[in-house]
Amino acid sequence: GVTQSPTHLIKTRGQQVTLRCSSQSGHNTVSWYQQALGQGPQFIFQYYREEENGRGNFPPRFSGLQFPNDSSELNVNALELDDSALYLCASALGKGGPDTQYFGPGTRLTVL
Amino acid sequence: GENVEQHPSTLSVQEGDSAVIKCTYSDSASNYFPWYKQELGKRPQLIIDIRSNVGEKKDQRIAVTLNKTAKHFSLHITETQPEDSAVYFCAASRDNAGNMLTFGGGTRLMVKP
Repeated sequence: GVTQSPTHLIKTRGQQVTLRCSSQSGHNTVSWYQQALGQGPQFIFQYYREEENGRGNFPPRFSGLQFPNDSSELNVNALELDDSALYLCASALGKGGPDTQYFGPGTRLTVL
Repeated sequence: GENVEQHPSTLSVQEGDSAVIKCTYSDSASNYFPWYKQELGKRPQLIIDIRSNVGEKKDQRIAVTLNKTAKHFSLHITETQPEDSAVYFCAASRDNAGNMLTFGGGTRLMVKP
């Protein structure tokens, strides 16, 4: 399945953070979502075979990487209080065609 | 971009009753509509999805209907059980792969025993 680390993280405003995701084996697409408390997940960006394949309405201080070994990272610079949320990654087999997106358990980020 | 509205935000039903959650979307090009169940502190889990070439899909106690003309789709849960209590999210995507999902705001379903 999809795994994420760490489970919880506390940072202070202005710091930088890296969150990690391990996709389901063989999946080529990974997407990252931000879920604020009490809200639905919001799409941050998606990577397909190590290239960014789409981006939501998030500033450039949110960046990502996807590696050939089914792992990926979400980096957030200059943390703001509003960045406090559950960050979810989701993997899928391909970029097109009938498919299912599998979510990881999430990383709960708290910015103080 | 796509906008998905979900109603109601909370829904309380008696065990055994049916529950219906409705979503509307704005992008007529959307063609994939999954529903996720999220229990407290856990990941969203896909429970059912529908693509634009069908109007209804059923899986045991769960069914989803889609009206592309009106741009709305609904989740129907029959014979509800306490373990159905969770937050349910609808989502829409233009891509059949289900990537780049736009989610609704969620419905907290409470099933009272």
